[in-house]
Amino acid sequence: QQPVQSPQAVILREGEDAVINCSSSKALYSVHWYRQKHGEAPVFLMILLKGGEQKGHEKISASCNEKKQQSSLYLTASQLSYSGTYFCGTANRDNAGNMLTFGGGTRLMVKP
Amino acid sequence: DAGVIQSPRHEVTEMGQEVTLRCKPISGHNSLFWYRQTMMRGLELLIYFNNNVPIDDSGMPEDRFSAKMPNASFSTLKIQPSEPRDSAVYFCASRPSVGGTEAFFGQGTRLTVV
Repeated sequence: QQPVQSPQAVILREGEDAVINCSSSKALYSVHWYRQKHGEAPVFLMILLKGGEQKGHEKISASCNEKKQQSSLYLTASQLSYSGTYFCGTANRDNAGNMLTFGGGTRLMVKP
Repeated sequence: DAGVIQSPRHEVTEMGQEVTLRCKPISGHNSLFWYRQTMMRGLELLIYFNNNVPIDDSGMPEDRFSAKMPNASFSTLKIQPSEPRDSAVYFCASRPSVGGTEAFFGQGTRLTVV
């Protein structure tokens, strides 16, 4: 079952912050975040393996609440290059973390 | 390594025709995934292989879709007969079959069925 992402779309001005949420109906083994530019393949941003873990990539960070089966992606001081569609992928405990299922995506547009 | 290689990059076919999409995963990766991307449904997992064996094909839309992985370096996704609603971008991805590792995506095949 696909994880659920919110919001579906975000429009920001350069320098503003955003949060993208991801919710799973099953116990999490890991959460993956990817960014996709128009016409390109999704590109890996980061992976979270443990509950409560936070990771960072440039000014992009993420957290995972294992108990709530949720993850959030934080984009700080957004840049024009952050525009794209963000996908969260979840791997669940019932398949030993191997099968990776993605949400519907969040379209992010950063304007000057 | 050249990464995950998909072919063709673009395919235009007429309704009712057979379509075969191809994927070469990264050498050493044991898990292979086929995804379909549409505006409405995002990235849908169609089928997942581990060590060349189909593990979960619950995402395959209907019997018109079939996938094979005859060896560790090659997989196909076949649609027969194709329909206009199959138009989408199809991605293949691979990763080592150890939980907690990233998946690497191919460049995708944009399929248009007219």
